[in-house]
Amino acid sequence: GESVGLHLPTLSVQEGDNSIINCAYSNSASDYFIWYKQESGKGPQFIIDIRSNMDKRQGQRVTVLLNKTVKHLSLQIAATQPGDSAVYFCAYGTPGGGADGLTFGKGTHLIIQP
Amino acid sequence: GAGVSQSPRYKVAKRGQDVALRCDPISGHVSLFWYQQALGQGPEFLTYFQNEAQLDKSGLPSDRFFAERPEGSVSTLKIQRTQQEDSAVYLCASSPPGAGAFYNEQFFGPGTRLTVL
Repeated sequence: GESVGLHLPTLSVQEGDNSIINCAYSNSASDYFIWYKQESGKGPQFIIDIRSNMDKRQGQRVTVLLNKTVKHLSLQIAATQPGDSAVYFCAYGTPGGGADGLTFGKGTHLIIQP
Repeated sequence: GAGVSQSPRYKVAKRGQDVALRCDPISGHVSLFWYQQALGQGPEFLTYFQNEAQLDKSGLPSDRFFAERPEGSVSTLKIQRTQQEDSAVYLCASSPPGAGAFYNEQFFGPGTRLTVL
């Protein structure tokens, strides 16, 4: 099937290395941030989330960093594996902003090279 | 049990045809969202239900788009008089009850890929 990664920024890393995927958001009132992983032909899959009262949160092999001053979010994946190859989207929500859905960033296509 | 399911997975329509896309959320999830994802782009919010009530439809691109969830479970997204620019993947997501749908994890279905010729 068609790749969801078509035309997206691409990050290529060696298997076993760490990767960092970045995201900038525009609304300073946003207070909920999520990283999703999307494989070709599938819907987005939740990885990790963070609220604006935190600046770092860790999961299994993943860490999310939030810098509210510059409206920047990053996802760090440690010891990347072939199964990490996918498109990664940041998403953010703004309560009372008029839409109850999430706003998604444009995505980054992560390629893990053997 | 199972995750969010959507049907059909693929739909090809001739321009001007009406289409109906179905979403079966996870049992017990009160919130349901529809998103549109163009090729190479992130999903864009269309509309949101809490139970059977459509609380936000600000993302629907035109009055040709209509969504319903009459019994608070299954939802249908209908597109009338389809146009080529409607070609996209339509994603459905649901989230469980809690402090508010806003902060709850959204579980996505696999999407329906609509191609309008």
